[in-house]
Amino acid sequence: GQQVMQIPQYQHVQEGEDFTTYCNSSTTLSNIQWYKQRPGGHPVFLIQLVKSGEVKKQKRLTFQFGEAKKNSSLHITATQTTDVGTYFCASNTGNQFYFGTGTSLTVIP
Amino acid sequence: DAGITQSPRHKVTETGTPVTLRCHQTENHRYMYWYRQDPGHGLRLIHYSYGVKDTDKGEVSDGYSVSRSKTEDFLLTLESATSSQTSVYFCAIRGWTPDTYNEQFFGPGTRLTVL
Repeated sequence: GQQVMQIPQYQHVQEGEDFTTYCNSSTTLSNIQWYKQRPGGHPVFLIQLVKSGEVKKQKRLTFQFGEAKKNSSLHITATQTTDVGTYFCASNTGNQFYFGTGTSLTVIP
Repeated sequence: DAGITQSPRHKVTETGTPVTLRCHQTENHRYMYWYRQDPGHGLRLIHYSYGVKDTDKGEVSDGYSVSRSKTEDFLLTLESATSSQTSVYFCAIRGWTPDTYNEQFFGPGTRLTVL
């Protein structure tokens, strides 16, 4: 099946610092989705990228899809305590969805 | 809101006992999914359903069975629970519009502990 590797597994940042998580695949992906899961909660969809080299922004969050469609990144500028949680990338082939291992973000006030 | 509920929300059971988790949705969505979430592994697909009585295996289906006898309910059964099945189980539905077709909408989760 499709494998999506995600790094780092954990990240601690001071409030106001930037944060980036990366997803990598050995195969070309048809799309990449990003989710956020707050502590004790369930994953919530953030965005989907489908085009090679695509960049999308949501306020302080910037999402990129690599030119070869084998990697993606999520960058948060000037983190806030509300950004705490685990961020997952995912991709689907047909009806099956494959999730990365997630990056757990801790923001230190 | 996709109207997904899961029951029970928490369960503690003993090794070797059967366990059934229920996922219920109220809006006649076609696709339903079961995932397990474990530290260091993210979310892994167990089984999914694409209609009543239509199901297929995911990447970690061993030890699990599913049933979908009506649109609104998708049941996950552990025939004989093992400690390795201690996990948080999430149900999800697939988006139902062209713009949301690749989105997964998750239920609140069930925390299962197998002693």
